[in-house]
Parts: sequence; C-alpha cells; structure tokens
Amino acid sequence: GQNIDQPTEMTATEGAIVQINCTYQTSGFNGLFWYQQHAGEAPTFLSYNVLDGLEEKGRFSSFLSRSKGYSYLLLKELQMKDSASYLCAVRDWGGSQGNLIFGKGTKLSVKP
Amino acid sequence: EADIYQTPRYLVIGTGKKITLECSQTMGHDKMYWYQQDPGMELHLIHYSYGVNSTEKGDLSSESTVSRIRTEHFPLTLESARPSHTSQYLCASSVLAGVKETQYFGPGTRLLVL
Repeated sequence: GQNIDQPTEMTATEGAIVQINCTYQTSGFNGLFWYQQHAGEAPTFLSYNVLDGLEEKGRFSSFLSRSKGYSYLLLKELQMKDSASYLCAVRDWGGSQGNLIFGKGTKLSVKP
Repeated sequence: EADIYQTPRYLVIGTGKKITLECSQTMGHDKMYWYQQDPGMELHLIHYSYGVNSTEKGDLSSESTVSRIRTEHFPLTLESARPSHTSQYLCASSVLAGVKETQYFGPGTRLLVL
C-alpha cells in the first residue's frame, strides 16, 4: 500500500537549524517533493529529489534515501516566516497513476 | 510566481444547493487537479485532468464532478451540497515535463455547508 509518515508538530528557535523527517512506502516510487504551506494558504513548491543524496537550495536542503524510504528537509538560519506546515509528497506510479501522495504535514513553529 | 486562480475564496451555503468552484490558470499547463484538505490533514486528490476533454477520478471518492472544456479552466461542481462536503478545496496545475513535474496550487476555496 501507500503510506507517508512525518511528525505532526515541531518547534525550533529563530536562527537555529531544524530537520523534518519523512518516511514513505509506495509501490512505484518516482520522486519526492517538499511543499511549504502557511496557514490558510496554498502549498508552494520547495524541493524535489528523485536520486539519492542531498539537494541544496539556499537555506533549504532536502535529502533522499530510496533504499530506506526516507527523506528529510533541512532548514537553516530559521526565520519567523518559516513557521508553516511542511508537506512531504511522493510521486507513485504504482497505485496512483503518477499522481502525488501527500503526507499530513509537519507544523513547524519558530520561536524568538 | 504561478498564475492559478480560484473563486470564490470562501463560500457558506445551505444543504441541497448546487455549487460550482472555479479554477483557472494562465500558464498553459496541460494537467490540472482538485484536492480536498481538511484542517491539519493531508491533501486528498479527488479529480484530475490530462488536458481538454480528459477527466479522471482521484484517490478519494467524491460526489463532485469536473469538466475540462478549455485548457485554462477546470471547474468543480457539487449538484447537492451536504455538510459532509465542508472542507477546503485546492486546485493545482502542472506542465507535463517528465519526472520533475511540479504542481502549482491556487489559493483554495473554503466551503462551509450548513
């Protein structure tokens, strides 16, 4: 079956580094996406991984291990505006015709 | 910045009413999607389209219907709204660009059925 797990909530301090983990089980993995969603707003694309390793984009980095079914999103130099939900999504060609399957999201609160 | 629009942004309506949620994108994207998201929960795909005259049902069963007569327009219709339809509805689009197909989301419609 298909399953995506990520922590429900996390808290971190402004200026710090936080790592948000995501584990997944799919039958036809073909890429993992991270989206940011501020309360009451639409998700916005952050990063994409299809091969193992680290993808860096400014303060945000995303890592993928396909053999472990594991990814993380790393946020550096946290800012108050980073308070949002972070959604892990997997493209699955097995049961979902290549559509994205979303996790429930991790609500990150950044404190001063 | 993605150009994808949804109207209305908020809708409060009585049980039994017919409603249409509008979604338009000006990016010329082929693929469009409708998701349903309850507070604090994951997005569930309810409909998608590969292009004009293409409509497919998503992973979550829904009583809504969609149409795709024009590339830029993908409206969702509920023939008879019920309180169980109360949710946020998000429209998205993407260009069919192979593996790295990135979806762009509209601002969403928050629906409350009384």
